[in-house]
Amino acid sequence: SQTIHQWPATLVQPVGSPLSLECTVEGTSNPNLYWYRQAAGRGLQLLFYSVGIGQISSEVPQNLSASRPQDRQFILSSKKLLLSDSGFYLCAWSGRSEQFFGPGTRLTVL
Amino acid sequence: AQSVSQHNHHVILSEAASLELGCNYSYGGTVNLFWYVQYPGQHLQLLLKYFSGDPLVKGIKGFEAEFIKSKFSFNLRKPSVQWSDTAEYFCAVNADSWGKLQFGAGTQVVVTP
Repeated sequence: SQTIHQWPATLVQPVGSPLSLECTVEGTSNPNLYWYRQAAGRGLQLLFYSVGIGQISSEVPQNLSASRPQDRQFILSSKKLLLSDSGFYLCAWSGRSEQFFGPGTRLTVL
Repeated sequence: AQSVSQHNHHVILSEAASLELGCNYSYGGTVNLFWYVQYPGQHLQLLLKYFSGDPLVKGIKGFEAEFIKSKFSFNLRKPSVQWSDTAEYFCAVNADSWGKLQFGAGTQVVVTP
């Protein structure tokens, strides 16, 4: 069966510090991968998606970037965090007819 | 702009009451529709989905949703809720071939014993 991992589960970072969130998928190959963010009181917003290694599409302009160095690894990064980057970050992969979500990372930027 | 709207942000009801959560979208063309649920401390998971065919779809845990194309709506219903239905519910729309989802803001449902 397929499994999706995210780490860390929670993170508190100062403004201006770098960020790296990792997502890995098991049990499937060449999945479409997605990063979503849920800010307080808002729904999930798609940030990036990837259809293959090295292929990244950005949905909204922002302070974040994404990379896919391996087929089942998806990384969300920032060189300098902003207060507005706080939120709940979810990684997902796309099956035949639905998306499967990871446990999420709660990021607080102080 | 394309959007997904959920009518209620917070719903409180008693066990055995009926639940209906509204969802409207503003996409033209063919869409795939989803309801996801996030129980406290758990992953976001799929409740039900509509791709085509019978507009009344049934999902897990006694939930159902009706797609009304003329109203651009996909409302979620459950005739009799349980305390364990306390969760946040998200409506989502996919309108492309990349599987990208646009979510509504979510509805926090609290069921009191």
